[in-house]
Amino acid sequence: GQNIDQPTEMTATEGAIVQINCTYQTSGFNGLFWYQQHAGEAPTFLSYNVLDGLEEKGRFSSFLSRSKGYSYLLLKELQMKDSASYLCAVNSGGYNKLIFGAGTRLAVHP
Amino acid sequence: KAGVTQTPRYLIKTRGQQVTLSCSPISGHRSVSWYQQTPGQGLQFLFEYFSETQRNKGNFPGRFSGRQFSNSRSEMNVSTLELGDSALYLCASSLSPDSFETQYFGPGTRLLVL
Repeated sequence: GQNIDQPTEMTATEGAIVQINCTYQTSGFNGLFWYQQHAGEAPTFLSYNVLDGLEEKGRFSSFLSRSKGYSYLLLKELQMKDSASYLCAVNSGGYNKLIFGAGTRLAVHP
Repeated sequence: KAGVTQTPRYLIKTRGQQVTLSCSPISGHRSVSWYQQTPGQGLQFLFEYFSETQRNKGNFPGRFSGRQFSNSRSEMNVSTLELGDSALYLCASSLSPDSFETQYFGPGTRLLVL
């Protein structure tokens, strides 16, 4: 079967660092995506990992370990506008078919 | 460059009716995917089109169908609507169907079935 797990909710303080974990078990693997989704809006692309290691993009970094079926999204210098849902998605091997986790709702407090 | 556009943005239908949703991809993008998003099930893949051909299909009943036109615009249709079809329907486009291509999402069509 296909399974992607991530925590349901997280809270953090403005200016802090937060790590959102994602574990996956899929029949195939062609890369892992992270998307951000503000309430009532469309998901927006944050990062893509297909090889093991860390990808850094400004305040956001994403890590992948294929052998462990594990990824995390690291958000630094948190801002209030980072309050959103963060979606982990795996391309399990079929063209553009993404399997999404349920999403992690992050609340950033002053 | 304009993003993915979807019409209509909001729709109210009654059980048993059918509905057609439209998606215009980013200019130059030839692959279009459709997803259903509900609070209980999250984002679920419906189907994907490239060069007017359905390349992949999710686990949805045959009431859900779609097509893609030669200009890459896509439509999805849901027949015999059920209450459980109430959801946000998202369209995403990418340059090609290659697995490493980023999919860019439209704002979605929020469908309410009464």
